Amino acid sequence: KAGVTQTPRYLIKTRGQQVTLSCSPISGHRSVSWYQQTPGQGLQFLFEYFSETQRNKGNFPGRFSGRQFSNSRSEMNVSTLELGDSALYLCASRVGAGENTEQFFGPGTRLTVL
Amino acid sequence: AQSVAQPEDQVNVAEGNPLTVKCTYSVSGNPYLFWYVQYPNRGLQFLLKYITGDNLVKGSYGFEAEFNKSQTSFHLKKPSALVSDSALYFCAVRDSTGGFKTIFGAGTRLFVKA
Repeated sequence: KAGVTQTPRYLIKTRGQQVTLSCSPISGHRSVSWYQQTPGQGLQFLFEYFSETQRNKGNFPGRFSGRQFSNSRSEMNVSTLELGDSALYLCASRVGAGENTEQFFGPGTRLTVL
Repeated sequence: AQSVAQPEDQVNVAEGNPLTVKCTYSVSGNPYLFWYVQYPNRGLQFLLKYITGDNLVKGSYGFEAEFNKSQTSFHLKKPSALVSDSALYFCAVRDSTGGFKTIFGAGTRLFVKA
């Protein structure tokens, strides 16, 4: 079974631009979460989606948004990029909606904002 | 609100010696606890989880974790460390009261010296 895939793997943008990152979960997984990983802040929770509904959102500004499609694929968008948005963005999927299931992570998208 | 702490930024251990990576947590309801490992230039991988039941949980690659409710801890252990265990380890918690998010600790870097 194929793992979680994220595209693109690397991205370079300039301040003020916007970016869209894509995540395809493991087949059959309906829950998708997004995280921002930086050396200083560690892994910060962005959002969790289940069956196209956002179930929770982390403490990020409104410039960060996401969505999930009917096939469970998910996208996240960051508008008006800032230098501080440079990070590794990780997507993770889980098989169900329960609290006790582990997450499977993709390789991440490395975003650099110049 | 849920939180998780990994008090050590780095743990150094000699190959063949036992290792412990510490984690403490705080949740409102019953905790669901996880350990993940991140090897260089790779995504996070699930190691093990505690849901309920036995306080000693066994996971991948010979790792195990001990759940202690009174001390609100979930320390990761391995009887004999390998150089290949050198990586970044994350403890994570979800809360049975809902919230639909996983909170990660800051991570502990493990160095195993030959």
